[in-house]
Amino acid sequence: QKEVEQNSGPLSVPEGAIASLNCTYSDRGSQSFFWYRQYSGKSPELIMFIYSNGDKEDGRFTAQLNKASQYVSLLIRDSQPSDSATYLCAVNGESGAGSYQLTFGKGTKLSVIP
Amino acid sequence: GAGVSQSPSNKVTEKGKDVELRCDPISGHTALYWYRQSLGQGLEFLIYFQGNSAPDKSGLPSDRFSAERTGGSVSTLTIQRTQQEDSAVYLCASSLAEAETQYFGPGTRLLVL
Repeated sequence: QKEVEQNSGPLSVPEGAIASLNCTYSDRGSQSFFWYRQYSGKSPELIMFIYSNGDKEDGRFTAQLNKASQYVSLLIRDSQPSDSATYLCAVNGESGAGSYQLTFGKGTKLSVIP
Repeated sequence: GAGVSQSPSNKVTEKGKDVELRCDPISGHTALYWYRQSLGQGLEFLIYFQGNSAPDKSGLPSDRFSAERTGGSVSTLTIQRTQQEDSAVYLCASSLAEAETQYFGPGTRLLVL
């Protein structure tokens, strides 16, 4: 049973600060890693994906992957109130049944305080 | 271009009735996924299509749930004899190919009374 763990939060940060969101996963065979943002009542929206160890930057967002530690994180620099949402970590890898379903964590709720 | 679309956006039904939920993936996307998100829960995988075939149905909760995909495009998720525990948001996602990034539709909110 693949598992993806996230702190449920809420994580509160002041506007302009760095928000750090963390995720661990159980399946060493996992191949790709995704961060989705989900506003209340809306569907998940892709923020970033990462496949290789190290850092990947896109604007204010940086994803970090450490496969040896089975750990992936998302940093949000210069946090804005509009970043307030639930952030879902998702892991993809061949399931053994021939599909590449995403396994999701339960999400971390981020609140950016003006 | 157009994203993933789903219909209806909301569905209220009585316990025991059958419901059909529709998903129209992004044009050209060969892989299609159904997930379910219950209140306070994470996203739960239901079924995956590659083209018109469903190699992985492992997430379907019971034999009341079925899905099909025709023409490599539109998919329908059918829930027969609905139960109150079926109430959830049903999300569809598509990707260009398997293992590629999945893009989600707006979901169908199902409420079984």
